Amino acid sequence: GAGVSQSPSNKVTEKGKDVELRCDPISGHTALYWYRQSLGQGLEFLIYFQGNSAPDKSGLPSDRFSAERTGGSVSTLTIQRTQQEDSAVYLCASTTGGYSNQPQHFGDGTRLSIL
Amino acid sequence: QKEVEQDPGPLSVPEGAIVSLNCTYSNSAFQYFMWYRQYSRKGPELLMYTYSSGNKEDGRFTAQVDKSSKYISLFIRDSQPSDSATYLCAMKTSGTYKYIFGTGTRLKVLA
Repeated sequence: GAGVSQSPSNKVTEKGKDVELRCDPISGHTALYWYRQSLGQGLEFLIYFQGNSAPDKSGLPSDRFSAERTGGSVSTLTIQRTQQEDSAVYLCASTTGGYSNQPQHFGDGTRLSIL
Repeated sequence: QKEVEQDPGPLSVPEGAIVSLNCTYSNSAFQYFMWYRQYSRKGPELLMYTYSSGNKEDGRFTAQVDKSSKYISLFIRDSQPSDSATYLCAMKTSGTYKYIFGTGTRLKVLA
């Protein structure tokens, strides 16, 4: 597509439920990143994909968080047994390659609210 | 100390003013510098991308990199209320996949 697409744009769920967030990167972009942005805070790195592999998962806050990427394109970030502290905006970014030195392009994020 | 420091603001200016937004950094290996604009409830939008030192101009926006001082700036001329947003700087070294972001400066341009 023309830009990075994320869905849903908003998600409200009850504590303890599982959620899936989707990211569709720019066509041809092999590198994909997930970030978390809390109110008034900077971008918190979560995970980096190059193709379907995730060489850096170091930012995932706990084992309740997981992510996968299939076909070198769409990625899904899953949060199991959600907690109120998971409430944030989850942003996805893509670039031509992690080591390409090209800038990242971002989607508009998924605003997650845990009740 | 954070690798990238950015004043959170808010910075309030009257319409038509020249705005200067800045980031300082500690890693002298940074070579690639980016500025993003983020409107409320939207994702960061790439404004400027520069390599190494020097200036780059695009319309009302000028990005400046001073590697000797480890300082980058974004200047906005003839600021408009539509420029009201949060501005994020980002940096990268060669040979790594990680982008390091500032925390953002919130700008308000008053009509």
